[in-house]
Amino acid sequence: DQQVKQNSPSLSVQEGRISILNCDYTNSMFDYFLWYKKYPAEGPTFLISISSIKDKNEDGRFTVFLNKSAKHLSLHIVPSQPGDSAVYFCAASENSGGGADGLTFGKGTHLIIQP
Amino acid sequence: DTAVSQTPKYLVTQMGNDKSIKCEQNLGHDTMYWYKQDSKKFLKIMFSYNNKELIINETVPNRFSPKSPDKAHLNLHINSLELGDSAVYFCASSQGGGWKNNEQFFGPGTRLTVL
Repeated sequence: DQQVKQNSPSLSVQEGRISILNCDYTNSMFDYFLWYKKYPAEGPTFLISISSIKDKNEDGRFTVFLNKSAKHLSLHIVPSQPGDSAVYFCAASENSGGGADGLTFGKGTHLIIQP
Repeated sequence: DTAVSQTPKYLVTQMGNDKSIKCEQNLGHDTMYWYKQDSKKFLKIMFSYNNKELIINETVPNRFSPKSPDKAHLNLHINSLELGDSAVYFCASSQGGGWKNNEQFFGPGTRLTVL
């Protein structure tokens, strides 16, 4: 039962263009969403997050959009750079006031930036 | 300085053995976690510890036992290893209090292979 789904296992984008990674979720109790980036043989690294009270959060080249009615979020990277090539995980949690919750992860999307 | 470290990085062992994976964080975080990434690449929460108390345990077999000697360490002990335990195990930590629990810092992972 996948509560967080990333339906694209891989995505290839030209350097300088926009990369758009998508994520869908089924659990309506999720109220906090994150994107993690992972290089081979390393642990995931936190990239950007958004709470359910917002529909957009921006940090430099990275923007996350949340559409609660569609239970969908996306990560936009613009412009894409070679160092962005990595696996991107979408994650969600039911924060419910601050308990120590684990995150529910999607399977990841492998982003490849072509020179 | 490594924020979250795990040892060993690779662990190859025979079925039926007992093994431990160590995790240390130097971030002063209140909460630590263990995740398992299986062959299908899903990252799934196993345990979290907050102030040396187990917070969640997601239907993990009791052959797995987390042990926290202090706030900076959360070790994972596995008894009677089985073939299905082969996976990459990630330790993570986060600062307590509300949304910040979601921004977890991950270690580099320990690849466990059971023969």
